[in-house]
Amino acid sequence: NAGVTQTPKFQVLKTGQSMTLQCAQDMNHEYMSWYRQDPGMGLRLIHYSVGAGITDQGEVPNGYNVSRSTTEDFPLRLLSAAPSQTSVYFCASSGGQGVGSPLHFGNGTRLTVT
Amino acid sequence: GNSVTQMEGPVTLSEEAFLTINCTYTATGYPSLFWYVQYPGEGLQLLLKATKADDKGSNKGFEATYRKETTSFHLEKGSVQVSDSAVYFCALSDGGSQGNLIFGKGTKLSVKP
Repeated sequence: NAGVTQTPKFQVLKTGQSMTLQCAQDMNHEYMSWYRQDPGMGLRLIHYSVGAGITDQGEVPNGYNVSRSTTEDFPLRLLSAAPSQTSVYFCASSGGQGVGSPLHFGNGTRLTVT
Repeated sequence: GNSVTQMEGPVTLSEEAFLTINCTYTATGYPSLFWYVQYPGEGLQLLLKATKADDKGSNKGFEATYRKETTSFHLEKGSVQVSDSAVYFCALSDGGSQGNLIFGKGTKLSVKP
């Protein structure tokens, strides 16, 4: 069982370039989300989705776009990368119905913007 | 707004020592509380959780009790092992969408043999 799969594992971009971070889950989870992890900051929510066709903003959405065309996939797009977006990005999913349901995380994408 | 504060690290212990990582929270309502663990090079994994006051979450020898009167959810383990070396995150649900969590900054634990 693959769980939550993120690609790529590492990426280096130049300022202004665009890219898409891929996230797929095979657990039929309705809820999916993206977090970024920065030293001394913990994890901060970027965007989330409660089902196909539905997305919403988290704490730090600026500079990022998402879409949810299928239950399985939740890509994160950087339209014009900035050095401030250098971070480790985690995708997560949850299949429960209540706020006590655990998140399942991917192994992360380490992004460097120069 | 809601927030989580956990003790600064890093924490270095010898094998078989007692572990406490403090976590306090600020929240409206009655959030669920979680501890997640991140091993090197991996994503976060749920360690334990508690969904109401006085609940005790436990897993792999770790425990935490949801204390509403002190707004705390401290993580404890009686005897740590080298394999417990990781970063530990305290988190709470924000009461909105089911999966949205607010995380503390994380505490790095190193256990020496």
